[in-house]
Amino acid sequence: AQSVTQLGSHVSVSEGALVLLRCNYSSSVPPYLFWYVQYPNQGLQLLLKYTSAATLVKGINGFEAEFKKSETSFHLTKPSAHMSDAAEYFCAVSGGGSNYKLTFGKGTLLTVNP
Amino acid sequence: KAGVTQTPRYLIKTRGQQVTLSCSPISGHRSVSWYQQTPGQGLQFLFEYFSETQRNKGNFPGRFSGRQFSNSRSEMNVSTLELGDSALYLCASSLEAGLDGYTFGSGTRLTVV
Repeated sequence: AQSVTQLGSHVSVSEGALVLLRCNYSSSVPPYLFWYVQYPNQGLQLLLKYTSAATLVKGINGFEAEFKKSETSFHLTKPSAHMSDAAEYFCAVSGGGSNYKLTFGKGTLLTVNP
Repeated sequence: KAGVTQTPRYLIKTRGQQVTLSCSPISGHRSVSWYQQTPGQGLQFLFEYFSETQRNKGNFPGRFSGRQFSNSRSEMNVSTLELGDSALYLCASSLEAGLDGYTFGSGTRLTVV
């Protein structure tokens, strides 16, 4: 079984500040990990993915995440927040192989203050 | 290239009715998954199809069903609608088992009254 825990349902930062969204996972097999962003009334957009290659993954819009197996974590960061980053962010895990589904965390709503 | 297309975008149905939602994946993608998103339960996996075969199914009642056609387009059907079925239904496609990541459509917002 797989699960994802996102710490903090709501994170608020100032424009230009560091963004850190936390994600911890549980998986009985080597996981594939994803971060998605959702803007109001839209679907999910893939920010980045980890599929057992480099542990530091760079994504779109300046986001990156580091896979840490010892901590079972996959935290999302961005050095400098922009107003357009305000959205809801979801961490997801997939087991790969014959596991063809994503298990999502509850999401973190990011607010960016001017 | 065109993204994942879901139709319709919005639907209002009456309790007890049935509904069919459609999803056209990205050209060349053979895997199509469906998810239900609600404020209370978050994002939950419904089922996944690959080359017209259902490979995985989530924990939803039998009123929820789906199918995939030879051109990879997929439909999901919900029969005997309940108020609790009101949700955003998202379709996602990928080349193979999501190794390349899943691309989501904009969703169908279903409201059951």
